[in-house]
Amino acid sequence: DTAVSQTPKYLVTQMGNDKSIKCEQNLGHDTMYWYKQDSKKFLKIMFSYNNKELIINETVPNRFSPKSPDKAHLNLHINSLELGDSAVYFCASSVTGRGRGAFFGQGTRLTVV
Amino acid sequence: KQEVTQIPAALSVPEGENLVLNCSFTDSAIYNLQWFRQDPGKGLTSLLLIQSSQREQTSGRLNASLDKSSGRSTLYIAASQPGDSATYLCAVKVGAGSYQLTFGKGTKLSVIP
Repeated sequence: DTAVSQTPKYLVTQMGNDKSIKCEQNLGHDTMYWYKQDSKKFLKIMFSYNNKELIINETVPNRFSPKSPDKAHLNLHINSLELGDSAVYFCASSVTGRGRGAFFGQGTRLTVV
Repeated sequence: KQEVTQIPAALSVPEGENLVLNCSFTDSAIYNLQWFRQDPGKGLTSLLLIQSSQREQTSGRLNASLDKSSGRSTLYIAASQPGDSATYLCAVKVGAGSYQLTFGKGTKLSVIP
């Protein structure tokens, strides 16, 4: 069973559209994250949720809105997509404290045309 | 602000060689450090997690060391194989209550048969 799964794996859409990426983890972790990997392959935190509460919100346009309906899910909704939003978005989860580190999903490659 | 640097950015070695990947971080007050592997178009696979109180961790042909005081970690790969070709990422977690990992830009490893 996949520990952290995100859908879709690929997403191609036109500028101005609204899209969502879903993420689910079955590890019983209490913290979930969204990271963005840009064209230079650099991974940067976007959001972090702990027990469904927003903990970290880096400098991300407010067109990006995360939603955590429960501890096992963290979805990312993006409004009015722009060309610069093209990237790979990774969902991750971990448990507060020592645990076993962070586990990542397979990524969603978003291409805005 | 924590910054993570990985040197070299790319490395090409013949099969069978032992190699070392380097990771340095600016703030030595880390909670743990995690090494990941990323294959092209794929997600991140956790390789090794070193807690701040540990000096090293081993898994098969991989050995990761941590020198917190000098802000350095190394990933040693013994008897490299073509299947080891991937990008290796180092990430640090600042505190137990920290809800993010700070990543380096990775080292792209190519093992030539």
